[in-house]
Amino acid sequence: DAGVIQSPRHEVTEMGQEVTLRCKPISGHNSLFWYRQTMMRGLELLIYFNNNVPIDDSGMPEDRFSAKMPNASFSTLKIQPSEPRDSAVYFCASSPGQGTGYGYTFGSGTRLTVV
Amino acid sequence: AQSVTQPDIHITVSEGASLELRCNYSYGATPYLFWYVQSPGQGLQLLLKYFSGDTLVQGIKGFEAEFKRSQSSFNLRKPSVHWSDAAEYFCAVAFDTGRRALTFGSGTRLQVQP
Repeated sequence: DAGVIQSPRHEVTEMGQEVTLRCKPISGHNSLFWYRQTMMRGLELLIYFNNNVPIDDSGMPEDRFSAKMPNASFSTLKIQPSEPRDSAVYFCASSPGQGTGYGYTFGSGTRLTVV
Repeated sequence: AQSVTQPDIHITVSEGASLELRCNYSYGATPYLFWYVQSPGQGLQLLLKYFSGDTLVQGIKGFEAEFKRSQSSFNLRKPSVHWSDAAEYFCAVAFDTGRRALTFGSGTRLQVQP
């Protein structure tokens, strides 16, 4: 089991550019979560999917952020246009069920720096 | 309001000493409770979880946690800390076991002195 795979591990981009973060959940897991981690705000839930359908996107900061899950094995988080305040570590996690009782398996994260 | 609090931002202990990290929650019922550990540059790893039953739960790496309903707490403990335990520890709470995701505390950074 390769775990949750995120790419890229590091991304440096200029303000105004489009950024796409990618996630491959564990095979068989049907819930997928995107979290953002910053020193100031800690871990914040951005969005989560169950069976490829967005269930809660109330944490998406603004329209510049969008997330998709076209199939059970792939999800993207896109920021367009990016801003310096988007700099953070973005984590993807997956879980075998919709309920929270299973706990999550996290990827290693993507460290995004917007200059 | 539903919330989870980790009162200690940073804790330093000596290697071999005991450890207790605090976690408190605010909720009208008993939530599902979790502890995660994050090593530098890594994702979060699940240490242990509590759903119901025995209030003392055992986890990986020699950690345990005790749920105390009267105190709305779920403190993490380890009898003897190793240098490799230096990391950041997050308490997480599921306030709604159905459709809501986990809410994480702000974390406690553990430093281990030789």
